[in-house]
Amino acid sequence: EPEVTQTPSHQVTQMGQEVILRCVPISNHLYFYWYRQILGQKVEFLVSFYNNEISEKSEIFDDQFSVERPDGSNFTLKIRSTKLEDSAMYFCASSGPSGTADLYGYTFGSGTRLTVV
Amino acid sequence: RKEVEQDPGPFNVPEGATVAFNCTYSNSASQSFFWYRQDCRKEPKLLMSVYSSGNEDGRFTAQLNRASQYISLLIRDSKLSDSATYLCVVSPPRGGATNKLIFGTGTLLAVQP
Repeated sequence: EPEVTQTPSHQVTQMGQEVILRCVPISNHLYFYWYRQILGQKVEFLVSFYNNEISEKSEIFDDQFSVERPDGSNFTLKIRSTKLEDSAMYFCASSGPSGTADLYGYTFGSGTRLTVV
Repeated sequence: RKEVEQDPGPFNVPEGATVAFNCTYSNSASQSFFWYRQDCRKEPKLLMSVYSSGNEDGRFTAQLNRASQYISLLIRDSKLSDSATYLCVVSPPRGGATNKLIFGTGTLLAVQP
């Protein structure tokens, strides 16, 4: 079964440092997403990406965050100048052609646990 | 009002029991509805989509009431392996190309031997 792959599985960083979280979506999917889940809280939408640009972003996704699809396979989330409150599990997800997410939902990666110290 | 609201539980039930989870959503124009399952410190995994006519997948039955903005999940003959957090998930009206998902906080189910 196709998978969304995320690396690293756990990242520890010092406050103020920049981190890059990496994702390899399913190869024939067109829509890519980042979500985060602070421990004990709900999964929250950060950003969606389609046709090489951001299609929607949440209030959480401020200037500290950026996304990029540097080549045909990787999808990255960069967090500049990390804060303690950025500590969370970050999930990448992808979905197929328009409409399929309505029927089949997404495929999520196993997540990157980011710990800011 | 929260966009998607669920009883956080926990629901502690014995093996073999039937358990029902409920969920309400605030946006009446929401497009799509799902139940996801999340094990501790793992990613959400799609359990089933929810259709207006109601749908069943083995021991799991999902129902949608658009008039009441209410979604339910029924699990029959609970197994120990059903222990997890069940997430009610809604997709808002599609204003563009995005199919973003809005998650509830989840309902924790613990099936006891």
